[in-house]
Amino acid sequence: GESVGLHLPTLSVQEGDNSIINCAYSNSASDYFIWYKQESGKGPQFIIDIRSNMDKRQGQRVTVLLNKTVKHLSLQIAATQPGDSAVYFCAENGGAQKLVFGQGTRLTINP
Amino acid sequence: DAGVTQSPTHLIKTRGQQVTLRCSPKSGHDTVSWYQQALGQGPQFIFQYYEEEERQRGNFPDRFSGHQFPNYSSELNVNALLLGDSALYLCASSFGGSSYEQYFGPGTRLTVT
Repeated sequence: GESVGLHLPTLSVQEGDNSIINCAYSNSASDYFIWYKQESGKGPQFIIDIRSNMDKRQGQRVTVLLNKTVKHLSLQIAATQPGDSAVYFCAENGGAQKLVFGQGTRLTINP
Repeated sequence: DAGVTQSPTHLIKTRGQQVTLRCSPKSGHDTVSWYQQALGQGPQFIFQYYEEEERQRGNFPDRFSGHQFPNYSSELNVNALLLGDSALYLCASSFGGSSYEQYFGPGTRLTVT
C-alpha cells in the first residue's frame, strides 16, 4: 500500500546551519510531493511542492530534491533560524486526490 | 486574500454524541478535503468534496459524513462519537478537485470524554 516515511523522527541543528530533512515514499504512481511545516497547535503550512517531472525546486531558503530512482525526497533549509523550529511533514498524492502523510520530523534549533 | 478558516477552534463532546465541524476554503478554491490528525501523527485523509459531491474517501467508517455547499464551504459530521475520535480535524482547500497545492486551515481540536 501507500506509505510515506521519514528517516529521522527528530533533528537538532545549530542556528545558522543548513538543515536537511529526508523522506522515503513507496508509491511509484505518485506524481506530486509536498512539504509542510506544522507548529504546535496550528495547521500544516505549505512550504514547497514538486512534481515528478522535476528533480529539484527552489524557494526562499528552501530546496526540495526528488530522486525517483530510489523514491527519496528531501527538504533543505538554508541558514536555519529559530522560527524554523517545527514538525515537518512530507506528503505524496499517490496519483489520486488525497495526500498521504508521513509521521513527521521534529526540527529543533540550538542557539 | 482569505485563507482557509475552520470553526469551532475547540470542542468537547461526550461519547455517543454527534458533532459538526465547519470549513471555508481559501479564496479562489472550490475543493475541500478533510483530514484527521491524532497526537504525534501525520494527518490521515477522511474524504474530499468537489462540486458538492464526495469524490474520494479514506479508511473511515460511515459515522464520518460530510457536505459541501454551493459557496464551496463544507461540513464534517461525526456520529456516535468514540474516545478514539479525539483528534485535530483539519480542512484543506485546493482547486478543481485535485490534491495539488492543498492549503490547510488551523484545525478544530475535538476532545471526546
